[in-house]
Amino acid sequence: GENVEQHPSTLSVQEGDSAVIKCTYSDSASNYFPWYKQELGKGPQLIIDIRSNVGEKKDQRIAVTLNKTAKHFSLHITETQPEDSAVYFCAASPHGAPLVFGKGTRLSVIA
Amino acid sequence: NAGVTQTPKFRILKIGQSMTLQCAQDMNHNYMYWYRQDPGMGLKLIYYSVGAGITDKGEVPNGYNVSRSTTEDFPLRLELAAPSQTSVYFCASSYPPSGGPNTEAFFGQGTRLTVV
Repeated sequence: GENVEQHPSTLSVQEGDSAVIKCTYSDSASNYFPWYKQELGKGPQLIIDIRSNVGEKKDQRIAVTLNKTAKHFSLHITETQPEDSAVYFCAASPHGAPLVFGKGTRLSVIA
Repeated sequence: NAGVTQTPKFRILKIGQSMTLQCAQDMNHNYMYWYRQDPGMGLKLIYYSVGAGITDKGEVPNGYNVSRSTTEDFPLRLELAAPSQTSVYFCASSYPPSGGPNTEAFFGQGTRLTVV
């Protein structure tokens, strides 16, 4: 089955700097790659997703890139703000199967 | 709009006790999921359902049971609670499945379960 690896497990950045989180997946049939943000005491919430027919997608300060050949995808957050501090999860799904999640990255934005 | 509602939010169980975690969604989603979240381990799929009357095992189903008698509800049953089941449990729903259009999975707020 699908296996998703996520790095780093923790990340600290200064406010205004960029943050990058990377994930790799194992199943070449995976075609949907969402990113979720989880704030303390809450459930994960989708922030951006990308499908296998697209190489890059951007939404304001957040962007995701996908390299199907290398089976990896990344989340980029620019101009980080304290409210970006949270745990971020990447996930992958092969053709309608339930999402398989990475282990998460705890991002701390230091003011 | 309530979305996905989980009850209870917190529960302490003694070893060997049983309980049911409730999950309800009001978005008419066909697909529903149960995940457990352990520190540093991400979310692992316990069971999922593609529609009323249909359920299937995920990665870590042992010690749990589910049923799906209606589109809205997807309860998770723990029959003989064990310390290894101490975790945060999340229910989610989506329509249609991941990979198609409008595939966002919506999560509930979670149930924090401690087995002592």
